Amino acid sequence: SQLAEENSWALSVHEGESVTVNCSYKTSITALQWYRQKSGKGPAQLILIRSNEREKRNGRLRATLDTSSQSSSLSITATRCEDTAVYFCATGGGSNAKLTFGKGTKLSVKS
Amino acid sequence: GGIITQTPKFLIGQEGQKLTLKCQQNFNHDTMYWYRQDSGKGLRLIYYSITENDLQKGDLSEGYDASREKKSSFSLTVTSAQKNEMAVFLCASSIRDNTGQLYFGEGSKLTVL
Repeated sequence: SQLAEENSWALSVHEGESVTVNCSYKTSITALQWYRQKSGKGPAQLILIRSNEREKRNGRLRATLDTSSQSSSLSITATRCEDTAVYFCATGGGSNAKLTFGKGTKLSVKS
Repeated sequence: GGIITQTPKFLIGQEGQKLTLKCQQNFNHDTMYWYRQDSGKGLRLIYYSITENDLQKGDLSEGYDASREKKSSFSLTVTSAQKNEMAVFLCASSIRDNTGQLYFGEGSKLTVL
């Protein structure tokens, strides 16, 4: 079974709207990462949030982490068509080396 | 900056054939990875290597071999391709520190006829 899992298979919004992707995980973690994969490309890291952090921002992106409920969210404000991609959460990595990805949430941003 | 180069970008093989994918990185990263991506199943770890000549099995290593003969390169072999198999294989690398950020190549798409 997946150690990290996004809660939605697909989301669709219109440009300018905000959207949130949610993720749940099953083990204790030292950090959780969010990645974005555009069509035909490899995933690229957006945000890393450590277990002692509750919130992390990167421009229009905001990640939250709730270790008590073992969940995380990634919010995107003022969405653009170029935000269309698959978004993954991932746990592990670092000295553990082995990073485990969720199945991903496909976000479509329409004009 | 650096780059991860995967070759070939597209690979078509026959059932039972042994097929090899190659990956080169110029980040000078210690750790390299091979993931398999199937539609609707996310990324699944096949093999990873913490340093040159090291190999660690991931969750999906059966049916695959890997080789890390140099720090900059990591190869993956499908030992016997399965008919109707179609997947994208992603290579990645990372520094061995507590950020754990992976840098990915663009992927190699495998089709087995």
